[in-house]
Amino acid sequence: AQSVTQPDIHITVSEGASLELRCNYSYGATPYLFWYVQSPGQGLQLLLKYFSGDTLVQGIKGFEAEFKRSQSSFNLRKPSVHWSDAAEYFCARSGGSGAGSYQLTFGKGTKLSVIP
Amino acid sequence: EAQVTQNPRYLITVTGKKLTVTCSQNMNHEYMSWYRQDPGLGLRQIYYSMNVEVTDKGDVPEGYKVSRKEKRNFPLILESPSPNQTSLYFCASSSLAGGYDTQYFGPGTRLTVL
Repeated sequence: AQSVTQPDIHITVSEGASLELRCNYSYGATPYLFWYVQSPGQGLQLLLKYFSGDTLVQGIKGFEAEFKRSQSSFNLRKPSVHWSDAAEYFCARSGGSGAGSYQLTFGKGTKLSVIP
Repeated sequence: EAQVTQNPRYLITVTGKKLTVTCSQNMNHEYMSWYRQDPGLGLRQIYYSMNVEVTDKGDVPEGYKVSRKEKRNFPLILESPSPNQTSLYFCASSSLAGGYDTQYFGPGTRLTVL
């Protein structure tokens, strides 16, 4: 079965510092990978996605992620964190065949706190 | 504006009282899905639908029903809710045209079953 692991439950960074959130996915057919963000009391907003091609993908709000097949990773990065980035971040993957290719498997999330 | 809407946004009910959470999308998407979100567990898929009259179970379907009579609507039905169904529920939709596409999520419905 597909799985997604986010090793860090909670991360705290200072405003202006760089950020890297880790995500590992289970090996399988070329996965489609996503990062979503959920602000308190809000729904999920897509930050970026990787389907194929360039392994470094740019997203909204200054985020980027790098797909590394050899490490089964899709880590999310931001060079300078803003207080408004405090939220919970979810990595997700899809893949497989038929209807299963549309099912999203989510990691358990990483909560980001930002110190002013 | 392209969006997925859910109603109600908040619901408190009692054990055994049937309820329906509605989901509607205005993007003409074929694929629709329901997820529940619980602390420490992330989001887990309950049911999904590939098109009208085509539905299938996700990872945690027990205690839930769905129907897809119209392309835009995908209601989630709890015929006899129990406290372990207290959760935050999300509906999502996606286009199937041209292959896989991004899923767009509704704002969520927070359900409490007493």
